[in-house]
Amino acid sequence: QSALTQEASVSGTVGQKVTLSCTGNSNNIGSYAVGWYQQISHGAPKTVMFGNSLPSGIPDRFSGSKSGTTASLTISGLQPEDEADYYCSTWDYSLSAQVFGGGTKLTVL
Amino acid sequence: EVQLVESGGGLVKPGGSLRLSCAASGFTFSSYSMNWVRQAPGKGLEWVSSISSSSSYIYYADSVKGRFTISRDNAKNSLYLQMNSLRAEDTAVYYCAREGVAAAVPMDWGQGTLVTVSS
Repeated sequence: QSALTQEASVSGTVGQKVTLSCTGNSNNIGSYAVGWYQQISHGAPKTVMFGNSLPSGIPDRFSGSKSGTTASLTISGLQPEDEADYYCSTWDYSLSAQVFGGGTKLTVL
Repeated sequence: EVQLVESGGGLVKPGGSLRLSCAASGFTFSSYSMNWVRQAPGKGLEWVSSISSSSSYIYYADSVKGRFTISRDNAKNSLYLQMNSLRAEDTAVYYCAREGVAAAVPMDWGQGTLVTVSS
């Protein structure tokens, strides 16, 4: 059981806008910035959103937001190369631990 | 360019030990907290341990507490993970990661090193 809850799977068509969610509580997402990670075919993770910042080299069709204890990653204009597993992560001060969501498998139809 | 290169993975018997290393370059290593994150076959990402820039603060996941030790050598730009009393469930790819400044989560990742615990 992950401390952060993500959808198991999400799908969309090329060009569509999709939003992935990451739900936690006041001890984690409610208090700290969230990172989002893309992993293609179990290769090394790549950071696609870090807090409110888009890392260098990440297309601006990726954006992030947070409301209360839920963080969201939005991909506007979905591309075939966006098909991957996506994980969210943040710090949890009650656990004194970094926590990850279980991951969302994004399929581009 | 930030580079993180892990080494030291391999096949080890249950109860055995292994020491992972991560060579960092492309940034001022001594200024950043560092993490180890692992991924078991077919599973999601799991945080293992974090160490602050000066080693003042160290944290472990409950699953490895008492068995794993994280350390760093800022003079050598290197991060380490000493793994003792290894179990089959420790089998995973282990990633070295640099934390960002704005949040205590990974910002940059290495390519990973595979640890297999099996008799």
